[in-house]
Amino acid sequence: TQLLEQSPQFLSIQEGENLTVYCNSSSVFSSLQWYRQEPGEGPVLLVTVVTGGEVKKLKRLTFQFGDARKDSSLHITAAQPGDTGLYLCAGPKGSSNYKLTFGKGTLLTVNP
Amino acid sequence: GAVVSQHPSRVICKSGTSVKIECRSLDFQATTMFWYRQFPKQSLMLMATSNEGSKATYEQGVEKDKFLINHASLTLSTLTVTSAHPEDSSFYICSASTTRGGLGNQPQHFGDGTRLSIL
Repeated sequence: TQLLEQSPQFLSIQEGENLTVYCNSSSVFSSLQWYRQEPGEGPVLLVTVVTGGEVKKLKRLTFQFGDARKDSSLHITAAQPGDTGLYLCAGPKGSSNYKLTFGKGTLLTVNP
Repeated sequence: GAVVSQHPSRVICKSGTSVKIECRSLDFQATTMFWYRQFPKQSLMLMATSNEGSKATYEQGVEKDKFLINHASLTLSTLTVTSAHPEDSSFYICSASTTRGGLGNQPQHFGDGTRLSIL
């Protein structure tokens, strides 16, 4: 069974701080995706990483895919209250290349 | 960008009622739609996958007679929770993709979810 373990589960920080959240697995994934979900809404795709060692940047967000494609991290620089939300990582479920399995997420709160 | 509309956004009903949730892709043809269930502060759990014109594929542990899925067109899939009970209360989210199994990693576009509360 492919499991995606996300840490920390909860994170509360002050505006302007930097943070990193992690997504780890014992399994190799062909790709991983990161989503942000706000309360009462569906997840919104932030990025897809497909190559081991890949680094992608989206404004203040930096995503990294581990060399062995078993883990990924999301680093946010100078967090803002608008970054508040549930950050989910997801990868292909089992042998499927179109179904997704999700981690449990990191609930981030950025306080003004 | 691709837009997926889910309706209704919130339902409150009595135990024993059947509830239908609609998922529509507004600006693209969705060959595959997915239905997820999410408990508070938990992750999304895939319930079933539906391809247009064929029967849905349910994940292990999901009762197909309890959660009826119909994907009759390339823009609409419905999930009916039959004879709902309080334990069925949850946040149900659909997503849509242009992938038809085995054709690679096309992104899933998510609806805004339906909050179902059974009294």
